[in-house]
Amino acid sequence: KAGVTQTPRYLIKTRGQQVTLSCSPISGHRSVSWYQQTPGQGLQFLFEYFSETQRNKGNFPGRFSGRQFSNSRSEMNVSTLELGDSALYLCASSFGDSGNTIYFGEGSWLTVV
Amino acid sequence: AQTVTQSQPEMSVQEAETVTLSCTYDTSENNYYLFWYKQPPSRQMILVIRQEAYKQQNATENRFSVNFQKAAKSFSLKISDSQLGDTAMYFCAFMGFQGGSEKLVFGKGTKLTVNP
Repeated sequence: KAGVTQTPRYLIKTRGQQVTLSCSPISGHRSVSWYQQTPGQGLQFLFEYFSETQRNKGNFPGRFSGRQFSNSRSEMNVSTLELGDSALYLCASSFGDSGNTIYFGEGSWLTVV
Repeated sequence: AQTVTQSQPEMSVQEAETVTLSCTYDTSENNYYLFWYKQPPSRQMILVIRQEAYKQQNATENRFSVNFQKAAKSFSLKISDSQLGDTAMYFCAFMGFQGGSEKLVFGKGTKLTVNP
């Protein structure tokens, strides 16, 4: 059974550009959530999608957005990139009932220069 | 808002010995879940162990076990017979019930080094 797949794994962007990261959840999982990991702030929750609806959102500016498709695949977008957006972005999936085990992908490394 | 505190930024242990990582949390909820995740240098988060707050029995997974003290809001991880492959960052995480949403709140992590 395939795990959570994130693409691209590594990318470098310039300040002011936008980026789209993709996540394919484990088959059968309906919940996809995103986390940002930085050395200074640690792991922070961005948002969670369940059945194409955003179910929860973290404390991030509106430049961070996401969506989920009918096949549960999800994308997150960051517009007008800032240097501080450089981070490891982790996608996670689960069946979506509270308390289910959440499985993580290998992450997308974003560097903003 | 829930918070999770890991008071040990770094720890080391000799191979085959036992080590305990500490975690405390703050919540007003009565039902919730607690997790320990391991993040090796590859950076993939791997679930180590999961505890349901309404279960008094401490969870165990092979060499990994927890000491869950609900009243004290404490959730420590014990690793027995430490192996070199246990070297990693360990994160304690809390999940409450917020309209069914699955949101993990993580601690800052403990960097564990297992020495040969």
